[in-house]
Amino acid sequence: LAKTTQPISMDSYEGQEVNITCSHNNIATNDYITWYQQFPSQGPRFIIQGYKTKVTNEVASLFIPADRKSSTLSLPRVSLSDTAVYYCLVGDMRGSSNTGKLIFGQGTTLQVKP
Amino acid sequence: DSGVTQTPKHLITATGQRVTLRCSPRSGDLSVYWYQQSLDQGLQFLIQYYNGEERAKGNILERFSAQQFPDLHSELNLSSLELGDSALYFCASSGPTGGVRSPLHFGNGTRLTVT
Repeated sequence: LAKTTQPISMDSYEGQEVNITCSHNNIATNDYITWYQQFPSQGPRFIIQGYKTKVTNEVASLFIPADRKSSTLSLPRVSLSDTAVYYCLVGDMRGSSNTGKLIFGQGTTLQVKP
Repeated sequence: DSGVTQTPKHLITATGQRVTLRCSPRSGDLSVYWYQQSLDQGLQFLIQYYNGEERAKGNILERFSAQQFPDLHSELNLSSLELGDSALYFCASSGPTGGVRSPLHFGNGTRLTVT
């Protein structure tokens, strides 16, 4: 089971690009990398998922180097509403897999300032 | 809206009591996961079910149990409640296999307060 390590907290200002890196040195072949955003008293919300190289959607980009031992979530031009906890989750998403323990790390608290 | 429904939203009960939390997964999702999140804590994985069968166990106490029914909804039963069980309990679901890597979709949680 791949353990993840993220910075505990980050500060940014509105309009800046924010990059949050997650280390997962023992990622397995079948593991995908997924990032979630959580606001207080709400369930985590899926942001982006990838396996290798680069993935981009309407809210973020995910960069994964060739060795897959880390990944970087990139949030372009953040706003105050992006203040939240961001979790990197590494695991085999196949529900029937025996490695069904999808364990979240401590997450990164991003504070966006005006 | 994630499509995952959790009931009730809030629950207040006394120590020693038993409660049942309910989760309806997204339509078509076969996997259900339960997580506990205490105040200022991360998400603690409790248990996972896939199509009615238990697939993985995390830090779930013996006083807690869960099941997934044939219609795929799931219930988490918490008994002999203690003050420390006060937390947000989240349910998440994910899609079937077949090469599709489905992310978790979370409900909005049940806030349990034990007094």
